[in-house]
Amino acid sequence: LAKTTQPISMDSYEGQEVNITCSHNNIATNDYITWYQQFPSQGPRFIIQGYKTKVTNEVASLFIPADRKSSTLSLPRVSLSDTAVYYCLVGVVDFGNEKLTFGTGTRLTIIP
Amino acid sequence: GAVVSQHPSRVICKSGTSVKIECRSLDFQATTMFWYRQFPKKSLMLMATSNEGSKATYEQGVEKDKFLINHASLTLSTLTVTSAHPEDSSFYICSARTPAVEKLFFGSGTQLSVL
Repeated sequence: LAKTTQPISMDSYEGQEVNITCSHNNIATNDYITWYQQFPSQGPRFIIQGYKTKVTNEVASLFIPADRKSSTLSLPRVSLSDTAVYYCLVGVVDFGNEKLTFGTGTRLTIIP
Repeated sequence: GAVVSQHPSRVICKSGTSVKIECRSLDFQATTMFWYRQFPKKSLMLMATSNEGSKATYEQGVEKDKFLINHASLTLSTLTVTSAHPEDSSFYICSARTPAVEKLFFGSGTQLSVL
């Protein structure tokens, strides 16, 4: 399993674009990169998943360089409700018995 | 997206009692479910992998006799904390993998408080 490293915390003002980078130097060929969001006392919520280059959905973009040793979650125009912990996970697509382990996550605080 | 329902959301019990937590996949069949434990301001720690129709696989350091996992159907997995003690107080979260779309969906979690 590829170990991930993220900043422990980040602060940003409302309306700004926030980029959270995750390092995964040992990512395997079959591993996908998935980001989750967690609010206090709730289960994690899926945000976005990608394998390479760029993926965009209605809430975020995910940038993955060619070597795939890192990835960046981009949240456009954040609001106070984006205050949460964001986790980057790497693992194979066909999970099977693959275990997904969580890193420390990044605690994002949005300032009014 | 797929829905995973977890109950109860909160439970308070006396020391020595057993508590059962249910995890259901509402609109898909989940052959594999995962159970996590989370302490305040800490990350999720994988406790065990639950496979339908077979014994669960526990992570190192997790007592299988303490945390009983049953995955009797493709839509239900249960975690029973036996003879709970105050140190078992924690936030427990389940997740299920969707077979068609390779993502994990999580339950809303159960806050267990043992007095």
